[in-house]
Amino acid sequence: AQRVTQPEKLLSVFKGAPVELKCNYSYSGSPELFWYVQYSRQRLQLLLRHISRESIKGFTADLNKGETSFHLKKPFAQEEDSAMYYCALSWSGYSTLTFGKGTMLLVSP
Amino acid sequence: EAEVAQSPRYKITEKSQAVAFWCDPISGHATLYWYRQILGQGPELLVQFQDESVVDDSQLPKDRFSAERLKGVDSTLKIQPAELGDSAMYLCASSFDSSGGYSYEQYFGPGTRLTVT
Repeated sequence: AQRVTQPEKLLSVFKGAPVELKCNYSYSGSPELFWYVQYSRQRLQLLLRHISRESIKGFTADLNKGETSFHLKKPFAQEEDSAMYYCALSWSGYSTLTFGKGTMLLVSP
Repeated sequence: EAEVAQSPRYKITEKSQAVAFWCDPISGHATLYWYRQILGQGPELLVQFQDESVVDDSQLPKDRFSAERLKGVDSTLKIQPAELGDSAMYLCASSFDSSGGYSYEQYFGPGTRLTVT
């Protein structure tokens, strides 16, 4: 069965520091990986997906099939990055998503 | 900008009562999802529709939960009878047609927070 693991419940950093939110997955096939984000009082929304290979709001994520990881990185955190981040895996022909438990990122001034 | 609508936003009900949630997806989105999110957890899929057909309800507790999308547009999720453990956020999401294997972005509604007393 597919599984997404986000080992950190909370990650607290200072503004300007580098950020890495960890995500590991287990799935025997070829998954698609996503990062969704929920800012305070806002809806859950897509941040980025591995196939697009984009940098969104300074965030990047590389799919490492050997380590089954999809860590989210940003070189210099901003206060507005404070939010709940969910890693998700799509594994079926109908793009069903399995989410991790989420990591709260707090960026302090 | 089009958004997914859900109602009610909050619902308090007593154990053993019936409760229903409504979702109106973004116009033109063929795929509709209902998720349950327990505090401290990520969203867990309950049921997924492609147009009016259920394509995945493997995690739906069918003894008490039911979902329908009769005309392939809006959808209703019902719980009868509600139990204390059903207290959670119920999220609806929609996406463009995902039946072709491509995972289109899912757009989420604001959710309905259910409290069962």
